[in-house]
Amino acid sequence: KAGVTQTPRYLIKTRGQQVTLSCSPISGHRSVSWYQQTPGQGLQFLFEYFSETQRNKGNFPGRFSGRQFSNSRSEMNVSTLELGDSALYLCASSSKQGNYGYTFGSGTRLTVV
Amino acid sequence: ELKVEQNPLFLSMQEGKNYTIYCNYSTTSDRLYWYRQDPGKSLESLFVLLSNGAVKQEGRLMASLDTKARLSTLHITAAVHDLSATYFCAVVLYKLSFGAGTTVTVRA
Repeated sequence: KAGVTQTPRYLIKTRGQQVTLSCSPISGHRSVSWYQQTPGQGLQFLFEYFSETQRNKGNFPGRFSGRQFSNSRSEMNVSTLELGDSALYLCASSSKQGNYGYTFGSGTRLTVV
Repeated sequence: ELKVEQNPLFLSMQEGKNYTIYCNYSTTSDRLYWYRQDPGKSLESLFVLLSNGAVKQEGRLMASLDTKARLSTLHITAAVHDLSATYFCAVVLYKLSFGAGTTVTVRA
């Protein structure tokens, strides 16, 4: 059974640019959530999508957005990148409200220069 | 807002000895997860604890959940070098709220 696939693995962007990250969940999982991990703030929730609808959103500025497609694949977009957006972005897929846990992808390491 | 506190934040373990990591959380929840993260890597699921009194064991690791005390423990038995990593607990309300992580180093 394939795991959670995140692409790309690494990205280097310049301040002011925008970036799109992709996440393909485990087959059959309809929930995808996104997290940002930084040394200073730890793991912070960005948003969660279920059946193409955003169910919950964390406390991030509007520059951070996402969407989910009918095949459950999800993308997150960050516009007008800032140096502080440099982080490891993790997506997690789950089924049944997480009763079987949340499985994380390998992450996308974003560096903003 | 749900707060999750782990302690200790850093744990230097001697091979062969036993240790415990504690995870306290502030709001009622009956679902708690433990993850392991190696440097530069993603989160690997260790345990899913879904009810009060749940106890799960895998190898040298054992996790338990006391929902009344809002406390989970991760017990490490006879530490070995392979267990060096950062361990996170996470509690669910509508999202996963993570503790700050416990960085474990095992020394000979």
